[in-house]
Amino acid sequence: GAVVSQHPSWVICKSGTSVKIECRSLDFQATTMFWYRQFPKQSLMLMATSNEGSKATYEQGVEKDKFLINHASLTLSTLTVTSAHPEDSSFYICSARHRSYEQYFGPGTRLTVT
Amino acid sequence: DAKTTQPPSMDCAEGRAANLPCNHSTISGNEYVYWYRQIHSQGPQYIIHGLKNNETNEMASLIITEDRKSSTLILPHATLRDTAVYYCIVRPRTGTYKYIFGTGTRLKVLA
Repeated sequence: GAVVSQHPSWVICKSGTSVKIECRSLDFQATTMFWYRQFPKQSLMLMATSNEGSKATYEQGVEKDKFLINHASLTLSTLTVTSAHPEDSSFYICSARHRSYEQYFGPGTRLTVT
Repeated sequence: DAKTTQPPSMDCAEGRAANLPCNHSTISGNEYVYWYRQIHSQGPQYIIHGLKNNETNEMASLIITEDRKSSTLILPHATLRDTAVYYCIVRPRTGTYKYIFGTGTRLKVLA
């Protein structure tokens, strides 16, 4: 149990375009999901906390107009990277908070902006 | 900032116990200690967590010192598949439950 999926697993897009990444909790409901970014050989950096039915809370330094988060249901949160640039290339990972309070992580999405 | 410090890397012989330390000297009474691991290019995997008492599950054991300022994750019989980055995280019992990741320990299990 406690499986989280992400789609797509990898994506290449051109500079200036937008990319949407989906995060789904497959076998549990998650009122709270989290989005992280990870650069090569670095740790995970929390970007934002996504609460079902309300606006996301962004960490300091994360541009909310660039990284749009929508948590429309108890099993789905989406992250849209708008007007992507090469410096946005990274590994994006979501997690979902289980009712037991642990976070279960998705497999990640590798974004490459050319 | 992360509330934990861990050694950047460790090696362990296959079949031996791997003991991964974590310092969390500023932990408060209402904060849990969580351990996750991340195998290359995958999402982190939950291992174990605890508050005060030592904990054991099918994957590992967690030893928390009496003053709660440090802990040790023990993988009793390390295998090559345990090669990963291990993260120790302190998480409040209430609030947003968000995790702040530190730099972790890169464990390499040697054949």
